Amino acid sequence: EVRLVESGGDLVQPGGSLRLSCEASGFTFSSYWMSWVRQAPGKGLEWVANIKHDGSEKYYVDSVKGRFTISRDNAKNSLYLHMNNLRGEDTAVYHCARWEAYSDYFFDFWGQGTLVAVSS
Amino acid sequence: DIQMTQSPSSLSASVGDRVTITCRASQTITRHVNWYQLKPGQAPKVLIYATSTLQSGVPSRFRGSGSGTDFTLTISSLRPEDFATYYCQQSDRTPLTFGGGTTVEIK
Repeated sequence: EVRLVESGGDLVQPGGSLRLSCEASGFTFSSYWMSWVRQAPGKGLEWVANIKHDGSEKYYVDSVKGRFTISRDNAKNSLYLHMNNLRGEDTAVYHCARWEAYSDYFFDFWGQGTLVAVSS
Repeated sequence: DIQMTQSPSSLSASVGDRVTITCRASQTITRHVNWYQLKPGQAPKVLIYATSTLQSGVPSRFRGSGSGTDFTLTISSLRPEDFATYYCQQSDRTPLTFGGGTTVEIK
């Protein structure tokens, strides 16, 4: 069974930093692209970043470029999101998701998410 | 960026009703549109990928269709467990973008 479990969400002040983690199990983690997708309170889903199975390619939504970094440790079956210079608009539940990118392109498994709240 | 405009933003329906949700892209989608279901406190779940392919384990009352700029998710006969929020999403290019969501509520 595929499982994705996020952690690391917290209350942080504007301008602060945070690292989110996603522990994966039930599949060969090193063979899949992975993603972060967020949902702000009362808002819809927003894709944040993707990373290729070997970490060689990374893509970001414009609003987080230069502030967020996606990374992975295939030996630990873990995905990370390093968030710097956090803003109020980054407040959201952050979901880790597996990105099926072999023939069709979609998020085929998701975690329940971890809450990041940016406020003074 | 490709904008995905979803309608309606919410609807009220009864068990057994047929429900149709539409998604219009700001430019022609040459690759695929996917549909997801969200329930509070749960992990999102893919229902339909590649416009019309039912994800394994998803009931056949869910159907996806469309091409070009117009795409549709249809629930043929609403069940109590289908009351949720639904999102379309395009995979043509980054940034990957979602529609604004459609909340299906109990009438």
